[in-house]
Amino acid sequence: RKEVEQDPGPFNVPEGATVAFNCTYSNSASQSFFWYRQDCRKEPKLLMSVYSSGNEDGRFTAQLNRASQYISLLIRDSKLSDSATYLCVVLRGTGRRALTFGSGTRLQVQP
Amino acid sequence: DVKVTQSSRYLVKRTGEKVFLECVQDMDHENMFWYRQDPGLGLRLIYFSYDVKMKEKGDIPEGYSVSREKKERFSLILESASTNQTSMYLCASSLGSHTEAFFGQGTRLTVV
Repeated sequence: RKEVEQDPGPFNVPEGATVAFNCTYSNSASQSFFWYRQDCRKEPKLLMSVYSSGNEDGRFTAQLNRASQYISLLIRDSKLSDSATYLCVVLRGTGRRALTFGSGTRLQVQP
Repeated sequence: DVKVTQSSRYLVKRTGEKVFLECVQDMDHENMFWYRQDPGLGLRLIYFSYDVKMKEKGDIPEGYSVSREKKERFSLILESASTNQTSMYLCASSLGSHTEAFFGQGTRLTVV
């Protein structure tokens, strides 16, 4: 079983739609969580950190459910420029202190 | 702005060659990482380093080694390149383990 699992998509949504991605992680000792964005043929870049209380950055909302070991990302009012692959990223709390990446969920926003 | 620079965008090497991928960061970051990215598999950690001359194995270290002689430079070495090492290689650095990781633009390596 992969340590971080995501639905690969693609999610095809019209402009203005609300879309949500989920991600599950298997290591209950994980302590830090992030969403990264990767555009086609580009390097990943941090979109937002995910806090236990949930957090919002403009049209983006991230939530963490430690009991069920999943993380979500909600995008409201989708723009064409949101088309990208969204990577769920986890940092273990013990052992190896390096980021573990999910394989990504691809979003395509259509006009 | 943090800059992580990888020496090559594209590289073609022959099976059995020794290959060096270089990565340099300009922000005095403690941590540096090498990942490879393959379709459907996402980013997988090869090696990482917390400090000069320190290195730790990631999930897929077989066939690779690394060198960190200076804080700003982290090299990935393929001792004897094989076709299954054809991939996109991404270098990253971060100030601390909880902080944002910054990536280089990637090196697409093809082994023929």
